[in-house]
Amino acid sequence: GAGVSQSPRYKVAKRGQDVALRCDPISGHVSLFWYQQALGQGPEFLTYFQNEAQLDKSGLPSDRFFAERPEGSVSTLKIQRTQQEDSAVYLCASSPGQDYGYTFGSGTRLTVV
Amino acid sequence: GQNIDQPTEMTATEGAIVQINCTYQTSGFNGLFWYQQHAGEAPTFLSYNVLDGLEEKGRFSSFLSRSKGYSYLLLKELQMKDSASYLCAAPILTGGGNKLTFGTGTQLKVEL
Repeated sequence: GAGVSQSPRYKVAKRGQDVALRCDPISGHVSLFWYQQALGQGPEFLTYFQNEAQLDKSGLPSDRFFAERPEGSVSTLKIQRTQQEDSAVYLCASSPGQDYGYTFGSGTRLTVV
Repeated sequence: GQNIDQPTEMTATEGAIVQINCTYQTSGFNGLFWYQQHAGEAPTFLSYNVLDGLEEKGRFSSFLSRSKGYSYLLLKELQMKDSASYLCAAPILTGGGNKLTFGTGTQLKVEL
């Protein structure tokens, strides 16, 4: 597609529920990043993929967070047993490779109630 | 580690000029980004500076001083649509990619 597409746009989850957030990067983009953005804050790095390989997951806040990109295109960020502090906007970004040109998606706003 | 500081919010008048400052401390330097983010939307790229000096791009300019760990974004002829959050970010290399450390963002409000 023309841009980075994320779905759903909004997600309300009950505390303890599992959620899955999807990212469709720009076709052909090798690099894919996930960021978490709390209200009034800048985005914070979660994890990075180069094709299907997850090369950096140092930003994942706990083992409840899991990300995958099995075929090197679409990526899914899964959060198990959601907690209120997981409420944030989850942003996905892609780039053609070892390049500084990120394109961000519009994000998924997760609210845990 | 990385540390990025920028003011939380600023207010300016339509038609005026505003300067948004950013100071940074990084382990290694790989340039500095500025992004614009309207509420509920994706951050969009404004500028990337790797060398000292001022780079002008239309109404927006960005300045970098590596020796001082300082950058600013200059917005001229402000328009109401410039009301947004402006994010300063420093890249660090990771496994062949470039992850960004962002500041908290400066919320700019443009008033009549």
